[in-house]
Amino acid sequence: QSMLTQPPSASGTPGQRVTIACSGSSSNIGSNPVHWYKQVPGAAPKLLIYSNNQRPSGVPDRFSGSKSGTSASLAISGLQSEDEADYHCAAWDDSLNWVFGGGTKLTVL
Amino acid sequence: QVQLVQSGAEVKRPGASVKVSCTASAYTYGVSWVRQAPGQGLEWMAWINIYTGNTHLAHQFQGRVTVTTAYMELRNLRSDDTAVYFCARDRFYGSGSPFDYWGQGTLVTVSS
Repeated sequence: QSMLTQPPSASGTPGQRVTIACSGSSSNIGSNPVHWYKQVPGAAPKLLIYSNNQRPSGVPDRFSGSKSGTSASLAISGLQSEDEADYHCAAWDDSLNWVFGGGTKLTVL
Repeated sequence: QVQLVQSGAEVKRPGASVKVSCTASAYTYGVSWVRQAPGQGLEWMAWINIYTGNTHLAHQFQGRVTVTTAYMELRNLRSDDTAVYFCARDRFYGSGSPFDYWGQGTLVTVSS
């Protein structure tokens, strides 16, 4: 049922930079801000990036977000073991619905 | 630290109803309900303005979900409603506001 498209998995080694893409359409990413959530298995999601590229207080600046047209991406630099989690993108859709990506499982090798 | 506390796990038969409560230590504007089926992504269900009580439901849940400031009720349960249900608080006013705090989640299992 996901209306945003994310790769199911991503991986990297400690210290590397990884990016996770999120693709949508003109009615969601194309016209509304994108938010990113981090979810550790068995826990609730946590807001990581909001309004395309804003970090809530307490989120390290290793995490950054960007948006262009109908796509967005999350970048994690200086990868650490605690970054291993599921990452979800989300955007409001003009059909008056929130849409999420299917989630990307990040593995730190 | 803002906390959203939800009610405990439930096991229901197909066709039954379930109520999941959510209590926040501080509100901003609205609260959404989001569910996650096992091994799946997040799915938005509904939103309520905690000051006016106005609600907005996702199309696929209209007629089957009721949301109040205290709980979310899902009726006529099916096996594919088995999921963890979360409440989540709006960060700021306006549609498209991200969710800055989430409840711990409530597992609802639908099984005969």
